[in-house]
Amino acid sequence: SQQGEEDPQALSIQEGENATMNCSYKTSINNLQWYRQNSGRGLVHLILIRSNEREKHSGRLRVTLDTSKKSSSLLITASRAADTASYFCATDPKNTGNQFYFGTGTSLTVIP
Amino acid sequence: DTGVSQDPRHKITKRGQNVTFRCDPISEHNRLYWYRQTLGQGPEFLTYFQNEAQLEKSRLLSDRFSAERPKGSFSTLEIQRTEQGDSAMYLCASEAGGAGTEAFFGQGTRLTVV
Repeated sequence: SQQGEEDPQALSIQEGENATMNCSYKTSINNLQWYRQNSGRGLVHLILIRSNEREKHSGRLRVTLDTSKKSSSLLITASRAADTASYFCATDPKNTGNQFYFGTGTSLTVIP
Repeated sequence: DTGVSQDPRHKITKRGQNVTFRCDPISEHNRLYWYRQTLGQGPEFLTYFQNEAQLEKSRLLSDRFSAERPKGSFSTLEIQRTEQGDSAMYLCASEAGGAGTEAFFGQGTRLTVV
């Protein structure tokens, strides 16, 4: 499978703490995207990081990419209750056509 | 609202009936994707369009499934003779195309087959 795999599967933290979730994948990629999904809703795009980039920031979000380890991490700083959601990474593998591969996600709960 | 729009948001149908979902992508996005997501899982790829051409289809897309994008704008996904196993969230995404562009998803259509 070329799926990204998120780790941990579930994470529970107190409001104000930082949350880190990881994504590992198996093949070389063009880019990797992180999405958030609230229960029963669609996917909200968070950040895209290209294979030649190592780190990107967007507000309270920080994404890193290590292509040598085939892994990425998403850090949410100063978490809020509204950050409670599932988070998915989606990889765009090289030489495999035009589709993204998702993992099973990390379920984040931020306790007020 | 200039995001990806999907209709309907919810659909309940009896087994054996046909259903059709619609996706309106972001204007001028030439790439359009359909994904399916079941409870507790990540989205799984179904099919991909570049303008009006359907360029890729997953093995998940059985012969009961058909997708079209007749004018390279909106797309429809039809499921014939629905089965209980078709119950899922059907997600549509669009992308401008080119290297490293983001894919934006709609709110999805939740299908329940009873």
